[in-house]
Amino acid sequence: TQLLEQSPQFLSIQEGENLTVYCNSSSVFSSLQWYRQEPGEGPVLLVTVVTGGEVKKLKRLTFQFGDARKDSSLHITAAQPGDTGLYLCAQNSGGSNYKLTFGKGTLLTVNP
Amino acid sequence: NAGVTQTPKFRILKIGQSMTLQCTQDMNHNYMYWYRQDPGMGLKLIYYSVGAGITDKGEVPNGYNVSRSTTEDFPLRLELAAPSQTSVYFCASRGGLGEAETQYFGPGTRLLVL
Repeated sequence: TQLLEQSPQFLSIQEGENLTVYCNSSSVFSSLQWYRQEPGEGPVLLVTVVTGGEVKKLKRLTFQFGDARKDSSLHITAAQPGDTGLYLCAQNSGGSNYKLTFGKGTLLTVNP
Repeated sequence: NAGVTQTPKFRILKIGQSMTLQCTQDMNHNYMYWYRQDPGMGLKLIYYSVGAGITDKGEVPNGYNVSRSTTEDFPLRLELAAPSQTSVYFCASRGGLGEAETQYFGPGTRLLVL
């Protein structure tokens, strides 16, 4: 099973600041997903990246997939308290059974 | 359209007791999954099902059992609760195609075994 390393584990910032979180592996991803989990809720899909070098934007969130497809980053511009949550990356480790392997996540707190 | 629902939201068990965590989805998805989430450890797959009558083990199946008699329901059974099973349990179902493919998660069941 491919290990997904996420960094940093914790991040506490002030409203309006920018931040970047990372997801890395020693092996190549076929595709990678980013989920956000708010306190007391289940994870919700933000984006799927599949092509090396791909960049996707979702409002103030920018997702990048490394050229070699071994790493990905999530950049948030002008963070808001509503961005607070656990950010998880995940990859399909089960082929057609679509079994997701998750990283341990980055817990982001945005203070007003 | 309620998506994935789980009951109960919270439960305290004594060591050795048994219980069933309920999961229901109304999206007619064939694939369903059970995960546990421990602090700082991400989500670990316990069991999954590719359709009614078909189940298979995930990464951490010991101490758990599942059944899938209908497309909608995928209950998780704990027979002899142990403190190591204290965790938050999430049920999910799979939907979408290609890049839109995703797992839809329920709100979770928080279990404390004392």
